[in-house]
Amino acid sequence: NAGVTQTPKFQVLKTGQSMTLQCAQDMNHNSMYWYRQDPGMGLRLIYYSASEGTTDKGEVPNGYNVSRLNKREFSLRLESAAPSQTSVYFCASSEQGEDTQYFGPGTRLTVL
Amino acid sequence: AQSVTQPDIHITVSEGASLELRCNYSYGATPYLFWYVQSPGQGLQLLLKYFSGDTLVQGIKGFEAEFKRSQSSFNLRKPSVHWSDAAEYFCAVGAWNSGNTPLVFGKGTRLSVIA
Repeated sequence: NAGVTQTPKFQVLKTGQSMTLQCAQDMNHNSMYWYRQDPGMGLRLIYYSASEGTTDKGEVPNGYNVSRLNKREFSLRLESAAPSQTSVYFCASSEQGEDTQYFGPGTRLTVL
Repeated sequence: AQSVTQPDIHITVSEGASLELRCNYSYGATPYLFWYVQSPGQGLQLLLKYFSGDTLVQGIKGFEAEFKRSQSSFNLRKPSVHWSDAAEYFCAVGAWNSGNTPLVFGKGTRLSVIA
């Protein structure tokens, strides 16, 4: 099992460009999550999907959109990137909301 | 809603010394508690978790944690630290029977290990 995979691993964007971060899990988990990690801020939840067909805002949803494409895949889209979105983005999945989360390796995004 | 506090932002210990990382949570009912480790440039890896039962939980890499309900704490310990333990450690709390409320993570404690 690959667990949770994320693409790309690195990305550099210019201000105003758009992009989609991809995440997939092969553990048949119901719930999936997107976090961003910034120095001194810990992990901050952007959006989550408790089950296929549902999505909910987390702590820092502004500037992002998500799509739960199917049970396996959960994508994060930046419509118009800003320098404040420079961060490391992690995707995670779990069986249920309160269960152990399994993390992907992360995407390091720089917005110039 | 649940919350987590990790009071120490950065801790430095000598190799071979013992380690204790603090975690305090706030939640009115039975919590689920987790410790994760993040090595530089990597994702988070589960060290151990507490759901119920024995309040002393053993994890990977020689770590253990003790759930103390009276103190609302779940401190992580290791008797002898190795240089490879240098990493960032995150405590997290989940709400039992919460209806899919996600885990809440602390802001992390960075561990440095010196010779």
